[in-house]
Amino acid sequence: QKEVEQNSGPLSVPEGAIASLNCTYSDRGSQSFFWYRQYSGKSPELIMFIYSNGDKEDGRFTAQLNKASQYVSLLIRDSQPSDSATYLCAVRYSGAGSYQLTFGKGTKLSVIP
Amino acid sequence: DAGVIQSPRHEVTEMGQEVTLRCKPISGHNSLFWYRQTMMRGLELLIYFNNNVPIDDSGMPEDRFSAKMPNASFSTLKIQPSEPRDSAVYFCASSGTAGGRNEQFFGPGTRLTVL
Repeated sequence: QKEVEQNSGPLSVPEGAIASLNCTYSDRGSQSFFWYRQYSGKSPELIMFIYSNGDKEDGRFTAQLNKASQYVSLLIRDSQPSDSATYLCAVRYSGAGSYQLTFGKGTKLSVIP
Repeated sequence: DAGVIQSPRHEVTEMGQEVTLRCKPISGHNSLFWYRQTMMRGLELLIYFNNNVPIDDSGMPEDRFSAKMPNASFSTLKIQPSEPRDSAVYFCASSGTAGGRNEQFFGPGTRLTVL
Protein backbone atom coordinates (compact mmCIF):
# COMPACT_ATOMS: atom_id res chain seq x y z
CA GLN A 1 0.00 0.00 0.00
CA LYS A 2 1.59 3.22 -1.18
CA GLU A 3 0.93 5.96 1.35
CA VAL A 4 1.51 9.67 1.59
CA GLU A 5 1.18 11.18 5.04
CA GLN A 6 0.63 14.81 6.00
CA ASN A 7 -0.31 16.52 9.22
CA SER A 8 -3.87 17.71 8.69
CA GLY A 9 -3.34 20.87 10.71
CA PRO A 10 -4.59 23.48 10.88
CA LEU A 11 -1.21 25.16 10.83
CA SER A 12 -1.47 28.79 11.87
CA VAL A 13 1.34 31.25 11.19
CA PRO A 14 1.44 35.05 11.46
CA GLU A 15 1.70 37.13 8.33
CA GLY A 16 5.32 37.49 7.23
CA ALA A 17 6.49 34.32 8.95
CA ILE A 18 7.79 31.13 7.33
CA ALA A 19 5.26 28.32 6.97
CA SER A 20 6.71 24.81 6.92
CA LEU A 21 4.62 21.97 5.51
CA ASN A 22 5.80 18.38 5.71
CA CYS A 23 5.07 15.13 3.92
CA THR A 24 6.35 11.57 4.21
CA TYR A 25 5.87 8.74 1.75
CA SER A 26 6.16 4.98 1.99
CA ASP A 27 7.67 3.80 -1.30
CA ARG A 28 11.41 4.28 -1.71
CA GLY A 29 11.02 3.89 -5.46
CA SER A 30 9.13 7.15 -5.72
CA GLN A 31 10.35 9.41 -8.49
CA SER A 32 8.51 12.70 -8.53
CA PHE A 33 6.99 14.89 -5.87
CA PHE A 34 4.42 17.61 -6.25
CA TRP A 35 2.84 20.26 -4.06
CA TYR A 36 -0.67 21.39 -4.90
CA ARG A 37 -2.56 24.26 -3.32
CA GLN A 38 -6.32 24.02 -2.93
CA TYR A 39 -8.45 26.95 -1.88
CA SER A 40 -11.76 26.16 -0.22
CA GLY A 41 -14.31 25.14 -2.84
CA LYS A 42 -11.75 25.16 -5.64
CA SER A 43 -9.70 22.55 -7.47
CA PRO A 44 -6.06 21.71 -6.68
CA GLU A 45 -3.46 23.74 -8.56
CA LEU A 46 0.18 22.79 -8.95
CA ILE A 47 2.65 25.15 -7.27
CA MET A 48 5.90 23.15 -7.08
CA PHE A 49 7.45 19.90 -8.23
CA ILE A 50 10.79 18.35 -7.33
CA TYR A 51 12.65 15.25 -8.53
CA SER A 52 16.13 15.46 -7.04
CA ASN A 53 17.41 15.52 -3.49
CA GLY A 54 17.95 18.98 -2.13
CA ASP A 55 16.14 22.27 -2.41
CA LYS A 56 14.26 23.88 -5.24
CA GLU A 57 13.23 27.50 -4.99
CA ASP A 58 10.51 29.37 -6.86
CA GLY A 59 9.79 32.84 -5.58
CA ARG A 60 8.57 32.59 -1.98
CA PHE A 61 8.27 28.81 -2.21
CA THR A 62 11.00 26.25 -1.54
CA ALA A 63 10.52 22.52 -1.93
CA GLN A 64 12.93 20.24 -0.10
CA LEU A 65 13.42 16.55 -0.84
CA ASN A 66 15.27 13.93 1.18
CA LYS A 67 14.84 10.54 -0.47
CA ALA A 68 16.87 8.72 2.18
CA SER A 69 14.39 9.86 4.83
CA GLN A 70 11.42 9.62 2.43
CA TYR A 71 10.52 13.16 3.29
CA VAL A 72 9.47 16.17 1.27
CA SER A 73 8.62 19.61 2.56
CA LEU A 74 7.36 22.97 1.35
CA LEU A 75 8.51 26.24 2.86
CA ILE A 76 6.57 29.43 2.25
CA ARG A 77 8.54 32.56 3.11
CA ASP A 78 6.89 35.88 3.96
CA SER A 79 3.53 34.16 4.35
CA GLN A 80 0.53 36.17 3.19
CA PRO A 81 -3.16 35.79 4.09
CA SER A 82 -3.69 34.78 0.44
CA ASP A 83 -1.56 31.69 1.14
CA SER A 84 -4.30 30.38 3.44
CA ALA A 85 -5.38 27.14 1.78
CA THR A 86 -4.96 23.39 2.00
CA TYR A 87 -1.65 22.10 0.64
CA LEU A 88 -1.63 18.65 -0.88
CA CYS A 89 1.52 16.58 -1.27
CA ALA A 90 1.50 14.15 -4.20
CA VAL A 91 3.92 11.40 -5.13
CA ARG A 92 4.44 9.65 -8.43
CA TYR A 93 5.78 6.16 -7.97
CA SER A 94 8.25 4.38 -10.19
CA GLY A 95 7.37 1.83 -12.79
CA ALA A 96 6.93 1.76 -16.51
CA GLY A 97 3.93 3.73 -17.60
CA SER A 98 3.21 4.92 -14.09
CA TYR A 99 1.39 8.17 -14.62
CA GLN A 100 -0.72 8.28 -11.51
CA LEU A 101 -0.21 10.36 -8.41
CA THR A 102 -0.96 9.37 -4.83
CA PHE A 103 -2.09 12.33 -2.74
CA GLY A 104 -1.86 13.01 0.95
CA LYS A 105 -4.96 14.31 2.70
CA GLY A 106 -3.49 17.79 2.89
CA THR A 107 -2.43 20.30 5.51
CA LYS A 108 -4.65 23.30 6.10
CA LEU A 109 -2.63 26.49 6.43
CA SER A 110 -4.02 29.64 7.99
CA VAL A 111 -1.99 32.87 7.75
CA ILE A 112 -3.10 35.33 10.40
CA PRO A 113 -2.92 39.05 9.46
CA ASP B 1 -6.23 27.12 -23.49
CA ALA B 2 -9.54 26.66 -21.68
CA GLY B 3 -8.14 24.14 -19.24
CA VAL B 4 -9.95 20.99 -18.17
CA ILE B 5 -13.71 21.38 -18.52
CA GLN B 6 -16.19 19.51 -16.37
CA SER B 7 -19.97 19.41 -16.35
CA PRO B 8 -22.19 19.75 -14.54
CA ARG B 9 -20.60 21.84 -11.79
CA HIS B 10 -23.27 20.82 -9.31
CA GLU B 11 -25.58 17.84 -9.30
CA VAL B 12 -28.28 17.02 -6.79
CA THR B 13 -30.09 13.74 -7.28
CA GLU B 14 -32.05 11.18 -5.38
CA MET B 15 -30.80 7.80 -4.31
CA GLY B 16 -31.17 5.22 -7.04
CA GLN B 17 -30.89 7.66 -9.92
CA GLU B 18 -28.22 7.48 -12.61
CA VAL B 19 -25.60 10.22 -12.59
CA THR B 20 -23.28 11.04 -15.48
CA LEU B 21 -20.31 13.35 -15.05
CA ARG B 22 -18.47 14.71 -18.07
CA CYS B 23 -14.93 15.86 -18.73
CA LYS B 24 -13.05 17.46 -21.59
CA PRO B 25 -9.26 17.29 -21.07
CA ILE B 26 -6.75 19.87 -22.20
CA SER B 27 -6.10 19.51 -25.91
CA GLY B 28 -2.99 17.45 -26.57
CA HIS B 29 -2.95 15.75 -23.19
CA ASN B 30 -2.93 11.98 -23.46
CA SER B 31 -3.69 10.98 -19.86
CA LEU B 32 -6.96 11.56 -18.04
CA PHE B 33 -7.73 10.94 -14.39
CA TRP B 34 -10.95 10.79 -12.38
CA TYR B 35 -10.70 11.59 -8.64
CA ARG B 36 -13.16 11.75 -5.79
CA GLN B 37 -12.60 14.06 -2.83
CA THR B 38 -14.25 13.83 0.57
CA MET B 39 -13.30 15.24 3.96
CA MET B 40 -12.81 11.78 5.39
CA ARG B 41 -10.81 10.13 2.62
CA GLY B 42 -9.16 13.06 0.87
CA LEU B 43 -8.44 12.92 -2.84
CA GLU B 44 -8.75 9.40 -4.21
CA LEU B 45 -7.90 8.23 -7.70
CA LEU B 46 -10.80 6.30 -9.21
CA ILE B 47 -9.50 5.48 -12.69
CA TYR B 48 -7.08 6.77 -15.25
CA PHE B 49 -6.79 6.52 -19.01
CA ASN B 50 -3.76 6.77 -21.22
CA ASN B 51 -4.37 7.36 -24.92
CA ASN B 52 -8.08 6.67 -24.30
CA VAL B 53 -7.38 3.23 -22.81
CA PRO B 54 -8.23 2.52 -19.14
CA ILE B 55 -4.96 1.66 -17.40
CA ASP B 56 -5.92 1.31 -13.76
CA ASP B 57 -9.46 1.18 -12.42
CA SER B 58 -8.59 -0.34 -9.06
CA GLY B 59 -9.86 2.79 -7.32
CA MET B 60 -13.39 2.43 -8.64
CA PRO B 61 -15.36 1.65 -5.48
CA GLU B 62 -17.77 -0.88 -6.95
CA ASP B 63 -19.65 -2.00 -10.03
CA ARG B 64 -22.03 0.92 -9.74
CA PHE B 65 -19.23 3.10 -11.08
CA SER B 66 -18.12 3.02 -14.70
CA ALA B 67 -16.00 5.30 -16.86
CA LYS B 68 -15.47 5.65 -20.57
CA MET B 69 -13.23 7.63 -22.85
CA PRO B 70 -14.55 7.24 -26.39
CA ASN B 71 -12.07 9.75 -27.84
CA ALA B 72 -9.19 11.98 -26.84
CA SER B 73 -11.40 14.93 -25.99
CA PHE B 74 -14.18 13.43 -23.89
CA SER B 75 -14.69 11.17 -20.90
CA THR B 76 -17.64 10.23 -18.70
CA LEU B 77 -17.97 8.85 -15.21
CA LYS B 78 -21.29 7.18 -14.52
CA ILE B 79 -22.82 6.08 -11.24
CA GLN B 80 -25.82 3.79 -11.47
CA PRO B 81 -27.59 3.52 -9.10
CA SER B 82 -26.37 6.40 -6.98
CA GLU B 83 -26.27 6.23 -3.17
CA PRO B 84 -25.94 8.94 -0.49
CA ARG B 85 -22.38 7.77 0.28
CA ASP B 86 -21.40 8.76 -3.25
CA SER B 87 -21.81 12.41 -2.30
CA ALA B 88 -18.45 14.07 -2.91
CA VAL B 89 -16.60 16.38 -5.25
CA TYR B 90 -15.48 14.58 -8.40
CA PHE B 91 -12.47 15.99 -10.21
CA CYS B 92 -11.17 15.23 -13.65
CA ALA B 93 -7.51 15.95 -14.40
CA SER B 94 -5.36 15.61 -17.48
CA SER B 95 -1.66 15.50 -18.18
CA GLY B 96 0.73 15.34 -21.08
CA THR B 97 4.23 14.01 -21.30
CA ALA B 98 6.04 17.18 -22.26
CA GLY B 99 9.34 17.22 -20.42
CA GLY B 100 8.47 13.92 -18.75
CA ARG B 101 6.98 15.74 -15.81
CA ASN B 102 3.44 14.34 -16.02
CA GLU B 103 2.01 17.35 -14.24
CA GLN B 104 -1.70 16.98 -13.74
CA PHE B 105 -4.08 19.85 -14.32
CA PHE B 106 -7.42 19.70 -12.58
CA GLY B 107 -10.84 20.73 -13.75
CA PRO B 108 -13.18 22.76 -11.51
CA GLY B 109 -14.92 19.64 -10.21
CA THR B 110 -18.50 18.43 -9.96
CA ARG B 111 -20.10 18.63 -6.53
CA LEU B 112 -22.46 15.66 -6.29
CA THR B 113 -25.14 15.41 -3.63
CA VAL B 114 -27.20 12.24 -3.45
CA LEU B 115 -30.25 12.58 -1.23
